[in-house]
Amino acid sequence: DAKTTQPTSMDCAEGRAANLPCNHSTISGNEYVYWYRQIHSQGPQYIIHGLKNKETNEMASLIITEDRKSSTLILPHATLRDTAVYYCIVRVRYNTDKLIFGTGTRLQVFP
Amino acid sequence: ETGVTQTPRHLVMGMTNKKSLKCEQHLGHNAMYWYKQSAKKPLELMFVYNFKEQTENNSVPSRFSPECPNSSHLFLHLHTLQPEDSALYLCASSQVTGDVATNEKLFFGSGTQLSVL
Repeated sequence: DAKTTQPTSMDCAEGRAANLPCNHSTISGNEYVYWYRQIHSQGPQYIIHGLKNKETNEMASLIITEDRKSSTLILPHATLRDTAVYYCIVRVRYNTDKLIFGTGTRLQVFP
Repeated sequence: ETGVTQTPRHLVMGMTNKKSLKCEQHLGHNAMYWYKQSAKKPLELMFVYNFKEQTENNSVPSRFSPECPNSSHLFLHLHTLQPEDSALYLCASSQVTGDVATNEKLFFGSGTQLSVL
């Protein structure tokens, strides 16, 4: 699976959009981008995934650049409960045996 | 509530003890996983079970012994652990179908915080 690079930490004001970047320059054509988050002392939670362009669900939007070498997770209206570590993971769709987590981005939402 | 329940929530054990961690999933999934998360380190995949068969052992020491009696239950048996084994142990499950329309996402439990003295 391709390696990802994320900033160590980010801050966001409550009510504003949180934009979390991820670089995955070695991504191959059949690899999807997945996002999970981990709130303190809990297990990771699935957020969204996509192959190209844009995906949106009730939690977030995922925008993948045209060359697929980077992506951005967007939380449109961040709340204090969105404070967590966010993981960007690139993997082959059916390789469910290996979900490899990096160090992620620690997002702090402040009042 | 994710549908994956882990017990106990916290565990303190000595290096000569034998204990077991339990995971139960109520989602009808056919794959289960053990992950380890040490302080300030990324999650590490330990074991994978598909349809009760172990398909992945990520070079885990033999003092950790997994057991999957059925597709809903997963255990991690612990014996003669070391202090460096203190960590959050997370269980997860997923539904492996091979169907392009299925979101093959992992559902995690809340974990067992293990301290080895």
